[in-house]
Amino acid sequence: AQSVTQLDSHVSVSEGTPVLLRCNYSSSYSPSLFWYVQHPNKGLQLLLKYTSAATLVKGINGFEAEFKKSETSFHLTKPSAHMSDAAEYFCVVSDRDSSASKIIFGSGTRLSIRP
Amino acid sequence: DAGVTQSPTHLIKTRGQQVTLRCSPKSGHDTVSWYQQALGQGPQFIFQYYEEEERQRGNFPDRFSGHQFPNYSSELNVNALLLGDSALYLCASSLSLAEFRNEQFFGPGTRLTVL
Repeated sequence: AQSVTQLDSHVSVSEGTPVLLRCNYSSSYSPSLFWYVQHPNKGLQLLLKYTSAATLVKGINGFEAEFKKSETSFHLTKPSAHMSDAAEYFCVVSDRDSSASKIIFGSGTRLSIRP
Repeated sequence: DAGVTQSPTHLIKTRGQQVTLRCSPKSGHDTVSWYQQALGQGPQFIFQYYEEEERQRGNFPDRFSGHQFPNYSSELNVNALLLGDSALYLCASSLSLAEFRNEQFFGPGTRLTVL
């Protein structure tokens, strides 16, 4: 069965410092993994996705994530936080090969940026 | 391209009533998925429509039903509303049912309040 766990419900960093949002997943098959961002009163926007190609995935706005199968992790990072990065971030797992495949969202991590 | 649009943006209903939410997918997309996002939680998958048929369903009761029209737009219907149905309802569109590796594009959502 698929599942996804976002290890931190809230992360606070200072502007200009690195960001790390942690995500662990469970999947019986070959998963696809995504990170979405949700700004207040706006729709979900895709940051990046992993679909069995390169394990280090680069996304928009300087974000990247590394797929680590041995650790079943897909952590999101950014070298230098910007005030505009403050938002809710969701890690998503989906798998294509299961007959009961669905898309599973994590519970979200709220990222706050201190000036 | 207008992207994914949803209507209405806000809705207030009372317990026991029925509600219909509408979604128009991004131009060229043929698959529509619906999600329920309760306050402070990640989106929960309700169901997905492709070729006017429900092809995948999450753990939601039969009170939740939907429809997809020949132009790929979709409706979500909820009967016998409960207080717990209060949430943000998100519609997402994508290309092709089978490819869960494809990015989903999300609309801004409909905020449903049940009193």
